[in-house]
Amino acid sequence: GIQVEQSPPDLILQEGANSTLRCNFSDSVNNLQWFHQNPWGQLINLFYIPSGTKQNGRLSATTVATERYSLLYISSSQTTDSGVYFCAVINAGNNRKLIWGLGTSLAVNP
Amino acid sequence: NAGVTQTPKFQVLKTGQSMTLQCAQDMNHEYMSWYRQDPGMGLRLIHYSVGAGITDQGEVPNGYNVSRSTTEDFPLRLLSAAPSQTSVYFCASSRARVGYEQYFGPGTRLTVT
Repeated sequence: GIQVEQSPPDLILQEGANSTLRCNFSDSVNNLQWFHQNPWGQLINLFYIPSGTKQNGRLSATTVATERYSLLYISSSQTTDSGVYFCAVINAGNNRKLIWGLGTSLAVNP
Repeated sequence: NAGVTQTPKFQVLKTGQSMTLQCAQDMNHEYMSWYRQDPGMGLRLIHYSVGAGITDQGEVPNGYNVSRSTTEDFPLRLLSAAPSQTSVYFCASSRARVGYEQYFGPGTRLTVT
């Protein structure tokens, strides 16, 4: 089945720094989502982005479907950005099952 | 809209007990699913449903039952709880068509002793 790999697995930032998280996938997809799981365990939808670029405040994401990767950019990081960032995809040939990466654990220090 | 709601938020069970985790959505989504999240393993699909009366198994269905009698509700039943079922459980929903965004509930943290 499709494989989803995220990098880096862990990241420590000083408040105010920028970062880029990467998601590689091994097959064509028709759904790609980025989630933030906060320290309380809530899963928060960040982007639904099977292709193209989207921005929401300090966060933006780009998916290059033909090259099978997606990037999540966090600018001017804040302590509230801490948590785990997950990329999840639906394989184009496998209806609706979301396949998840293992996440990038981000800690933003004040 | 309340979105996707789950109850309870926390539950402790003894081995062998049964219980039902509730999930409801008010977005008229046809597709609903249950995931479990364990440390270091990401989220794994337990069961899913593409509409009322239709359910199917995901990656890790053993020990769990589901039913879908209405569009809104998708309960997950643990028939005889085991310590291996200690996990955080998430319910999700989306429109039926392939590729639509999935929305997640707040999760239920279950401990089986």
